[in-house]
Parts: sequence; C-alpha cells; structure tokens
Amino acid sequence: DSGVTQTPKHLITATGQRVTLRCSPRSGDLSVYWYQQSLDQGLQFLIQYYNGEERAKGNILERFSAQQFPDLHSELNLSSLELGDSALYFCASSPPTGPSEQYFGPGTRLTVT
Amino acid sequence: GQSLEQPSEVTAVEGAIVQINCTYQTSGFYGLSWYQQHDGGAPTFLSYNGLDGLEETGRFSSFLSRSDSYGYLLLQELQMKDSASYFCAVRPQGSNYQLIWGAGTKLIIKP
Repeated sequence: DSGVTQTPKHLITATGQRVTLRCSPRSGDLSVYWYQQSLDQGLQFLIQYYNGEERAKGNILERFSAQQFPDLHSELNLSSLELGDSALYFCASSPPTGPSEQYFGPGTRLTVT
Repeated sequence: GQSLEQPSEVTAVEGAIVQINCTYQTSGFYGLSWYQQHDGGAPTFLSYNGLDGLEETGRFSSFLSRSDSYGYLLLQELQMKDSASYFCAVRPQGSNYQLIWGAGTKLIIKP
C-alpha cells in the first residue's frame, strides 16, 4: 500500500460524457501527478500540482482539466469523452525532495463505450 | 530533445541475473529512477541514482554513468514474481516538477 488513494477503481461511461477522478496523496506529500496509461503502453504524464498550484503540464488534452484543493486532494476531470480515452489513470505523489521518488495510487480504470 | 531508450522486452530464466539498460539523450538531469509495474497494477518506486555508480537494494541494483549517458537495473536471483515491466525515468535539469519516462521493458521470466 503506497498510501495514495484513488477513487473510483473502475468507471464505465458513454462517449460524450464527463467524469471526475479523485486522488488523495500520501500524508506529508504536497505534489500530485496525473498519468494516463493505455493498454500495454507507457506512462503519459498529464499534469502536476504542488500545494494547490499547477506546476507542470504534459500531454493533457484541452478536454481534460485538474485541480488540487486546500486539503491537497486532487481531481482530474475528463469531458466529452471519446473511445480513445479508455485507459488506466494513475495519480502519484512525491515527498518535498522532488519528483524522482513517486508513489502511485492503485489507478482508475476508465472504459468509454 | 530529451528521450530515454529501453529494450521493449527481455527474457531470462528463474534464478539467473538480468540487466535492463536505459540510455538517454538529454542535456542534463538530476538523477535516474527505476519503477516496477506488474500487469494490472500500479508502478512502484524501486531506486534512485543521484550520483554515478552502483546503488544496491537487496536483489536489485541500479547503476548510473553520466559520462556514458547510460544506466541499468540489475536483478539477481530472479524469481517468477519479478515478471513485470520496468521503467526508467530522469528528472531533467531546469524542471523540478516532472520526470521524463522511458517506454518500459517487459521482463519475462521462464522456469
């Protein structure tokens, strides 16, 4: 158990819909990262927050957005969903030392039908 | 540009030793990390090399050589449970906030 929690574990929804994925980082970690992993693919970095502020953006679509709240939990919002958005979405957190040591949540498996 | 290269797949025998290489092309970075991911699971942090040389953690060791733009993960006394994908990642200089990830190496272990 990494200490990072993600909900829900599974999500099945239709094209065109909007969903929200939730993540709580490990106690003491201020940074949260979001990743997308399609079947048998590598990790695609989406976005990073540090103590409520956006710090880095990766290959995140305009249909996707995220935020980190004062209690440090984070939400990833995916809208106008397409079949190609079906993937595992991971949240990770890291200690104040930096991003080299990240702890991943169990992931949310999103299926768009 | 910045990129990391890993073999897509490596096969080894139970009880043997295997080395997974990671070569990189980046102007500078702070260190090299390794992560393990079992099928259907989440990546887990294995090791970090901030300095050149070898870091050992039990059956796993990781090596970094900045002058050769090269690193590797060494797994000894392979067990079937080591079958997984292994990702290397670097933290580029000028970016305190994210890692550049390799595409991952799938390690297949045969009995």
